[in-house]
Amino acid sequence: EVQLVESGGGLVKPGGSLRLSCAGSGFIFSNAWMNWVRQAPGKGLEWVGRIKSKTTGETTDYAAPVKGRFTISRDDSKNTVYLQMNSLKTEDTAVYYCATGGNFLDYWGQGTLVTVSS
Amino acid sequence: EIVLTQSPDFQSVTPKEKVTITCRASQSIGSNLHWYQQKPDQSPKLLIKDASQSFSGVPSRFSGSGSGTDFALTINSLEAEDAATYYCHQSSDFPRTFGQGTKVEVK
Repeated sequence: EVQLVESGGGLVKPGGSLRLSCAGSGFIFSNAWMNWVRQAPGKGLEWVGRIKSKTTGETTDYAAPVKGRFTISRDDSKNTVYLQMNSLKTEDTAVYYCATGGNFLDYWGQGTLVTVSS
Repeated sequence: EIVLTQSPDFQSVTPKEKVTITCRASQSIGSNLHWYQQKPDQSPKLLIKDASQSFSGVPSRFSGSGSGTDFALTINSLEAEDAATYYCHQSSDFPRTFGQGTKVEVK
């Protein structure tokens, strides 16, 4: 059974940093392209970014609102993908989900809440 | 950026009714359109991939159609458990984008 478990969320002040983790199991993690998607309270889904597998270049793509502030990385030895979030803004407050997939997003984690507030 | 516009934003439907949600893309995206279901306080789940292919384990009452710029998700014979918000999502170009969501209420 595919499982994705996010962690690392919490309360952070504007301008601060936070690193989220997403641990995967039940599939060959090193082959998976991994995404981060967020959902602000009461709002819709917003794609944040994606990292390819190592064998396909491990390249990343980001949404415009987070480009230059957020960085996605992966450690296949730990079956984990990370989202490093710097220079956080109040508008980054959201539940952050990781999801597998290069095109469609076939499996999702349960999400971790990030609150940016002074 | 490709904008996806769903219609309607909200629909209240009685059980066993047929529901159709549409998703229009601001430019042609081929069949790179996918549908998700999100129930309250849960993470989204993939229903339909590549416009019309059902994902594993999804009930047969869910189906997708369309290509290019116009797509639809159909729920035949709605059940109480189908109360949720439904999102379309395109993977034709970056950034990936989602529709604004359609909330389906079961009367």
